[in-house]
Amino acid sequence: EPEVTQTPSHQVTQMGQEVILRCVPISNHLYFYWYRQILGQKVEFLVSFYNNEISEKSEIFDDQFSVERPDGSNFTLKIRSTKLEDSAMYFCASSLTGTGSAEAFFGQGTRLTVV
Amino acid sequence: GESVGLHLPTLSVQEGDNSIINCAYSNSASDYFIWYKQESGKGPQFIIDIRSNMDKRQGQRVTVLLNKTVKHLSLQIAATQPGDSAVYFCAVKLLSARQLTFGSGTQLTVLP
Repeated sequence: EPEVTQTPSHQVTQMGQEVILRCVPISNHLYFYWYRQILGQKVEFLVSFYNNEISEKSEIFDDQFSVERPDGSNFTLKIRSTKLEDSAMYFCASSLTGTGSAEAFFGQGTRLTVV
Repeated sequence: GESVGLHLPTLSVQEGDNSIINCAYSNSASDYFIWYKQESGKGPQFIIDIRSNMDKRQGQRVTVLLNKTVKHLSLQIAATQPGDSAVYFCAVKLLSARQLTFGSGTQLTVLP
C-alpha cells in the first residue's frame, strides 16, 4: 500500500537553528500539506502546496517557515530560526485532488524538539 | 473560521461493546467530514468520511452520522476490539478549501 514517508522520525535542535523536515508524498498525488501537533493538542494546518506553489497557509505559517518541492519526489518544510514553541509533531500529508472529498494520507510524523 | 470540538477527551468501553465518539463543528458551510484514528507514535489514519449531502455512511464496523441541523458528527464503532484503542479525531473541510480543521481528539480505551 502506498504511504507518505517522513524523515527524520525525531529531530532535536537548538533554539535559533534552522531545521528541514523531509517528506516523500504518495507518488501520483498532486497536493501536499504540512500539519503540526503540539503535545496533547489538536492537529493544526500549516500549509498546502500545489503546482509548485503555496495554495493555502494558516496564521502559524509565518516568515520563519517555508516549503519546497526540490525534485519530483521530496517535499520539505524549513523552519529558519527555531523557537521553543516550535516543538511539536510535524505531519506531512498528500492527496490526489485538493478540494472536494479528497482523502488526505498522513505520514508517521517528525517529532521536533527545540532545546 | 471553523472550530471543531469533541465532547469527551477520553472514553473507556468494554471489549465487544459499541463505542460512540461525538464531535461538534461551528461552520455551517462545512461540506466534508472525516474521522481519523491516531495510534501512539503514528500519523492520523483515515477511517471514514461523509459529505454534507448525506446523514449516514457505513463502513466495516464503523458508522458516521451527520446532523447538520445541530452541527454534530458522530463515529460509531461496533463490537469494539483492543486494536481500536487510539485517539480519534474528527476533521472538517469546506468543499472549496484544501485544509482540514481537526477537533481535539478522544482517547478510546478498550477494556478486556
